[in-house]
Order: sequence, then C-alpha cells, then structure tokens
Amino acid sequence: GAGVSQSPSNKVTEKGKDVELRCDPISGHTALYWYRQSLGQGLEFLIYFQGNSAPDKSGLPSDRFSAERTGGSVSTLTIQRTQQEDSAVYLCASSFGGQGWNYGYTFGSGTRLTVV
Amino acid sequence: DQQVKQNSPSLSVQEGRISILNCDYTNSMFDYFLWYKKYPAEGPTFLISISSIKDKNEDGRFTVFLNKSAKHLSLHIVPSQPGDSAVYFCAALGKTGANNLFFGTGTRLTVIP
Repeated sequence: GAGVSQSPSNKVTEKGKDVELRCDPISGHTALYWYRQSLGQGLEFLIYFQGNSAPDKSGLPSDRFSAERTGGSVSTLTIQRTQQEDSAVYLCASSFGGQGWNYGYTFGSGTRLTVV
Repeated sequence: DQQVKQNSPSLSVQEGRISILNCDYTNSMFDYFLWYKKYPAEGPTFLISISSIKDKNEDGRFTVFLNKSAKHLSLHIVPSQPGDSAVYFCAALGKTGANNLFFGTGTRLTVIP
C-alpha cells in the first residue's frame, strides 16, 4: 500500500482481556517496528523485525506482550490479560532495510488502546 | 530513564518568526539524530536528521544544529508558518544501523497567524 496501515484505529477493552493490533507495512519495506506512546511520554520502542532474522524483543515490557510477522509483511502485536497501564497509542513503522536512520521510519496512524 | 529530553512541552510563535525547538540527550554514544513531526490522529513523519559528525544540516526552512559537547540539538524553523503547528519529536540512535530510536516526549508548536 501507499503507507503503513494499522487497525483498528481505536480499541476499548476490558481489563484482563486479550487484544490484537495489526500493522500492514509499506510494500517492499523489510524492517518493521512497534512503538507505543503513553500519555505524557515519548515513543517507547517495543520490538523490531528485519527480514527473516530473529526479532529484537528487547523493548517488550512484559511477557504479556508478543508480536509476530508473517511472511515478512503483516505484523500482529498481541497483549494478553490487558492492564490499565497498557492504555496507550501503539504505533507501527516500517523502513527500507534496517537503515531506518538513513531514511527515517514511516509510521502508521496508530491504534489507540484504552483498557477500562 | 529518559535518554532524550525535550523540556519544553509547548511553544507558541508568531507567523513569520523563527521557531526554535530544543532537545537534550544523556548518552554520548548516540550516533544519529532525527526530528519527527506529528499532527493529531496521524503517525509521526520524518522531518530532518543529522549525523554526529556534523554540527548543522539544513533543508529549506528547517535547520538542525548539533552541539555534541553540550549534548544538545535544536531545530530551527524560519519563517514559521501556521501549517507548522504540530508536535515535534526529537529522536536518537545508539549507533549507525541500530534497531531502535530513543524518542523525546515532544514539543507542541503553535504558530499564530
């Protein structure tokens, strides 16, 4: 597609439920990143995928968070047993190769997750 | 631990004047710095970047200055336009080709017509 597409744009869920957030990167971009922005905070790195390499999961805040990227394209971020502190805007970005620093990432519009 | 800091949450500037957005960082190993612009309900968009081997990079109305000794960078917008009103994020990379960016908390710029 022309840009990075994320769905849903908004999600309200009850505490304790599982949620799945989807990201469809720009066609041809091999690198995909997940970030989140909590209220009043900067963007926080979660996970990075590059081609067929093992993902960099160093930013995932707990084992309730997981992500996968199927076929090197679409990615799903799953949060199990959601907590209120998980409420944030979850942003996906993609870049051409791992050199996002050279071109800048292209971000999607994000999914606003609210846990009630 | 916030390694990239934007201490001014907001800034208001008259149209036509200069906007100066500031950013400080704590990690001297950061190798590359970027500025992103974000409109409401949209993802951040890449604006301009600078390598640590440079002290200035200019692109049209946007100039980024880097002072490595002070661990400080700034984004200058001149002349400011109402369409520049957005949240600006400063970001830094640990080393060339590193996997993730460290972002500041953002500064909301309002350009008053």
